[in-house]
Amino acid sequence: EVQLVESGGGLVKPGGSLRLSCAASGLTFSNAWMNWVRQAPGKGLEWVGRIKSRTDGGTTDHAAPVKGRFTMSRDDSENTLYLQMNSLKTEDTAVYYCTRSRMYCSSTSCYGGDFDYWGQGTLVTVSS
Amino acid sequence: EIVLTQSPGTLSLSIGERATLSCRASQSVSSNFLAWYQQKPGQAPILLIYRASSRATGIPDRFSGSGSGTDFTLSISRLEPEDFAVYYCQQYDTSPLTFGGGTKVEIK
Repeated sequence: EVQLVESGGGLVKPGGSLRLSCAASGLTFSNAWMNWVRQAPGKGLEWVGRIKSRTDGGTTDHAAPVKGRFTMSRDDSENTLYLQMNSLKTEDTAVYYCTRSRMYCSSTSCYGGDFDYWGQGTLVTVSS
Repeated sequence: EIVLTQSPGTLSLSIGERATLSCRASQSVSSNFLAWYQQKPGQAPILLIYRASSRATGIPDRFSGSGSGTDFTLSISRLEPEDFAVYYCQQYDTSPLTFGGGTKVEIK
């Protein structure tokens, strides 16, 4: 059974930092493209960013609202995904979910697609 | 950025009725790289449909997806009590990946 368990959320002041973790089990984590998705209170879903598997380059891709402030990373030896959040703003208040991308592969390359597994989320509150 | 517009915002229906939800993209979504998710209050979303029309594992066959290009539809043939929730479409063709604003299906 695939499990994604987020942790690290909490209350932080504007301008502060926080690091979220997502512990994965039941899947070959090193082959997975992983994402962070957030949901502000009472609002819809917003993609935050993704990180490719090391086999596919290990590069990251972040949404415009968080680019330059948030950084995704991974530790394949610990089956853990991270989100380092700096210069936090009140509008970053949300539940943060980690997700796994389903892989679509051709004969030459692979691409991460829809999110077939989600964690339960961790709440980040940015307030003075 | 591909903008996804979902309609209606809220759908009020009775148990046993058919639900039809729309998702329109601001530009063509290649390879039908469009998914639908269901979210109930206080829970994480779950994947219902991927590649526009393929049901995810364990999803009942009353859920179906259709469409291509810029117009996509999620249909629920006969609403069950557990289907009342918020539904989101998502495109994963082009970065940034984007979600629609959601459609709430509520009990009439």
